[in-house]
Amino acid sequence: QKEVEQNSGPLSVPEGAIASLNCTYSDRGSQSFFWYRQYSGKSPELIMSIYSNGDKEDGRFTAQLNKASQYVSLLIRDSQPSDSATYLCAVKGGSYIPTFGRGTSLIVHP
Amino acid sequence: DVKVTQSSRYLVKRTGEKVFLECVQDMDHENMFWYRQDPGLGLRLIYFSYDVKMKEKGDIPEGYSVSREKKERFSLILESASTNQTSMYLCASSLTSGGLAGANVLTFGAGSRLTVL
Repeated sequence: QKEVEQNSGPLSVPEGAIASLNCTYSDRGSQSFFWYRQYSGKSPELIMSIYSNGDKEDGRFTAQLNKASQYVSLLIRDSQPSDSATYLCAVKGGSYIPTFGRGTSLIVHP
Repeated sequence: DVKVTQSSRYLVKRTGEKVFLECVQDMDHENMFWYRQDPGLGLRLIYFSYDVKMKEKGDIPEGYSVSREKKERFSLILESASTNQTSMYLCASSLTSGGLAGANVLTFGAGSRLTVL
């Protein structure tokens, strides 16, 4: 059984701080890693994807991947109230199907 | 700019009714998925399809069936709706399962919130 684990939160950070969201996965054959953001009442949308060890930056977002530790994280710098949402980690190996974590709720308070 | 369209945003049905949820994508994607999402349970895969007329069961297929007669359309069918099928249903598609990693990104529809009374 492939598993993707996330702390459900909520993770509460002040505006302007760095939010750190973490995800661990069980399948060592995983090849592709994704972070989706889901606002309340809306559907998930892709924020970041990462495929090799190390960091990948896109604006205020940085995805970090460590395959040896089976760990992927998302850092949000200069957090804004508009970043308040649930963040879903998804992991994919060689099959058609990505495995999703249950998501971490992030609250950025002014 | 809508790429994955779900036919109904909100539905209210009665127990025992047959329910059709339609999903259409205009991106020529190979793969299509149906998920349900419930508080605290995350996204659970019901069925997916990797080609026309091809389908595979996901984690919770009981009580559901699917149809994919055309590449762009993937339908979810509740043969006899029950109250425990009250949920948010999300359709998604991806270009393919192999090749470039970007091809594996899921694009979701807006969701269909089903209430079964």
